[in-house]
Amino acid sequence: DAMVIQNPRYQVTQFGKPVTLSCSQTLNHNVMYWYQQKSSQAPKLLFHYYDKDFNNEADTPDNFQSRRPNTSFCFLDIRSPGLGDAAMYLCATSRDPGDRGGNQPQHFGDGTRLSIL
Amino acid sequence: QKEVEQDPGPLSVPEGAIVSLNCTYSNSAFQYFMWYRQYSRKGPELLMYTYSSGNKEDGRFTAQVDKSSKYISLFIRDSQPSDSATYLCAMSVQGAQKLVFGQGTRLTINP
Repeated sequence: DAMVIQNPRYQVTQFGKPVTLSCSQTLNHNVMYWYQQKSSQAPKLLFHYYDKDFNNEADTPDNFQSRRPNTSFCFLDIRSPGLGDAAMYLCATSRDPGDRGGNQPQHFGDGTRLSIL
Repeated sequence: QKEVEQDPGPLSVPEGAIVSLNCTYSNSAFQYFMWYRQYSRKGPELLMYTYSSGNKEDGRFTAQVDKSSKYISLFIRDSQPSDSATYLCAMSVQGAQKLVFGQGTRLTINP
């Protein structure tokens, strides 16, 4: 089945130690998203890629970076994690709305739960 | 005021009941409306996707959009224990892929 796969499912890191989360997709979608979701809260968009074009949300901290080396893979880098960055990080993908004349639904992976010691 | 309001619950109903989940919103530019189901420790799973006003049915699930009232609903018929999850509404503006989510309603179906 075509899917969005996130690795690892659980990640523990130390305060201030850089960490990288990964996402891969077999849907061949050209838009990829990273969300942060804290307990009992709605997912919050951090940034997204239209192909190679990076789109950052205005309120995303500089501590969060992303890389997309090819269509299938996208990485979330947290340069110096703080205690407030403990959360579930969700990757999602969608088709380009321009290809089909309207917004396209987003499909999510199962997330990486990040803990900070 | 949040752009999308959703009662967080928790909501607990007996098996077989009809469940009604709702969201209200303030931005009249929203055109695309979605419902996602999220099980514990899993990612959101797309249940329903609708454009503009009207109803959409898929099995036991019915989504309704009333743009004049800025109100959307998800109905679950013949609810099952496996429907126990958090339900998130989400919406977006035409041409903008950014989703604005409600807080999510935690639903429990009791056998």
